[in-house]
Order: sequence, then structure tokens, then C-alpha cells
Amino acid sequence: EPEVTQTPSHQVTQMGQEVILRCVPISNHLYFYWYRQILGQKVEFLVSFYNNEISEKSEIFDDQFSVERPDGSNFTLKIRSTKLEDSAMYFCASSVSRGRDQPQHFGDGTRLSIL
Amino acid sequence: AQKITQTQPGMFVQEKEAVTLDCTYDTSDQSYGLFWYKQPSSGEMIFLIYQGSYDEQNATEGRYSLNFQKARKSANLVISASQLGDSAMYFCAMGAGRRALTFGSGTRLQVQP
Repeated sequence: EPEVTQTPSHQVTQMGQEVILRCVPISNHLYFYWYRQILGQKVEFLVSFYNNEISEKSEIFDDQFSVERPDGSNFTLKIRSTKLEDSAMYFCASSVSRGRDQPQHFGDGTRLSIL
Repeated sequence: AQKITQTQPGMFVQEKEAVTLDCTYDTSDQSYGLFWYKQPSSGEMIFLIYQGSYDEQNATEGRYSLNFQKARKSANLVISASQLGDSAMYFCAMGAGRRALTFGSGTRLQVQP
């Protein structure tokens, strides 16, 4: 069964450094998402992406964050000048469409630790 | 705005018994979808089951069923014949139209032998 793939599984970065989290969505999916989950807390939406542009973003997704689909398969989340509070599990998800009955399939996540 | 409430931070169930995980929601949307995801201790998010707001039948997927009561705005997950491997965090989530998923705070289920 096709799945969303995220790399790396764990990233350790010094505060102030830039980090890029990578995702390969399911091949026939058109909508891509990033969520984050701070340890012990609920999953929070960051951004959605369709047709090579951001279609929705939350208030968390400020100028520190950016997303890109550099080629036909990868979908990346870049965090500039990381802060301690950016430590979290970051999930990439994809869906065939944004219809109400289309489940978003999640990757296994990247655990980001900021030191 | 959408809101998902899961009032049970933790639940215990004996192996082979059924368990109900509660989820209530609030939305002004007429059309929406409700989802349940499982998060094992390894951290991944696994899609379990979906219920559309206009679906007349309650959704079922193997041992999972969704007890959807639209008037009460509840979408409880029922797991029948619990197995040790069901021990995990369970998240209820809602999606409506063009908006991304809104998640509840989760319920940690522990299945005891």
C-alpha cells in the first residue's frame, strides 16, 4: 500500500540553525499538509499546499517557516533560525483531494529536537 | 471555528472486551467529515475510520465502528474485541470543506491482559 515517507526520522539541531524536513507524498495525491505535535499535546495544523502554492496556513506558520515542492515528488518544510519551542514531531500528510470525505494519510513523522 | 473535545485523557480495557472512546465536536459547517487516528508509542499517525456528516449509516472498519450521533454532535469510536496491540493514543479529528484537520487532545488507551 502506498504511503507517505518522511526523512529524517529524527533531527537534532542547534538553536538558530536552519532545518529542512522532507516528505514524499503518495504519488497520486494532490494536497499536501504539514502538522506538528509538541510532546504530549494535540496535533496542530501548520500549512496546506496545492498546485504549487500555499492554500491555507495557521497562525503558527509565520515567516520562520516556508514550504516548497522542489520537484515532482518531494515536499519540504524549512524552518529558519530554529528556536527551542520548535522542538516537536512534524507530520507530513497528503490526500487525493480536499473533499470532506478524503482522509489525510500521514507519514511516520520527523522528531525535531532543538538544543 | 471548529472544535473537537475528547474528555477521556486515559482509558483502560481488558483484552477481548469492547471499549468506547468519546469525541464531541462543534462546528457551524453543514458538511464535514470526522476521522479517527491511532498513534502508537512509536509516533506514527494511522488512519482508522471516517464518517461523513451526511452518511446515514455508522461507519465500520473491521473491529472499529463509529457511533455517530449528529444531533448530539458526537462521534465516538468503538473498538470491539480489544487486543494488546490496540494500546495507543487515539485522536478524533474533523475536516470540513477547504479547511485542514482539527484534532482533539487524544485519549490514551491501555489494553490489559
